[in-house]
Amino acid sequence: NAGVTQTPKFQVLKTGQSMTLQCAQDMNHNSMYWYRQDPGMGLRLIYYSASEGTTDKGEVPNGYNVSRLNKREFSLRLESAAPSQTSVYFCASSERTTTNQPQHFGDGTRLSIL
Amino acid sequence: QKEVEQNSGPLSVPEGAIASLNCTYSDRGSQSFFWYRQYSGKSPELIMFIYSNGDKEDGRFTAQLNKASQYVSLLIRDSQPSDSATYLCAVSAGGTSYGKLTFGQGTILTVHP
Repeated sequence: NAGVTQTPKFQVLKTGQSMTLQCAQDMNHNSMYWYRQDPGMGLRLIYYSASEGTTDKGEVPNGYNVSRLNKREFSLRLESAAPSQTSVYFCASSERTTTNQPQHFGDGTRLSIL
Repeated sequence: QKEVEQNSGPLSVPEGAIASLNCTYSDRGSQSFFWYRQYSGKSPELIMFIYSNGDKEDGRFTAQLNKASQYVSLLIRDSQPSDSATYLCAVSAGGTSYGKLTFGQGTILTVHP
């Protein structure tokens, strides 16, 4: 009964380093999303994938890239990490973007950039 | 810029009371409205969603939607200390944009014994 699984749970990077956050869902959902959450703020959409093979920018895409590897997996890459990217990152999935079905979230990745 | 506004609180209510959480949104084309609960250090958890004007009840929770006033609220009856959390309001535009949720900043609710 895993739902949405994110790895790693915690990560500390130095400025300029790169890393990839992994996300996998086992609910056979078509759509997947990446959000960031900063203190005192709601979640902001970084990128989303409406279906396998497609990706689109959200509200705050700068500094990030994504890959929809297959229907289950959606990764987020920071090519050159900056302190402003210190945040909690959440992956979510839903049945599809064209329906009212709610999104289900993973446990998050807490990322610190020094 | 589509906006979703919530009173950040903290909202403090005694155990057993009704907690009322409010949310306003700027996009008149919004179609779907969600309430998520987030405990400190945890991920958001869906508790209610509403699509039509009026009230929707689920156990101790009632969501209320007024599209004319661009207002959605969440009532929690018989509040318990375990309800203490941040409540996030999220709104989507519908059509091909159902998946693009805009979140408010969240309201911190504290239920004291």
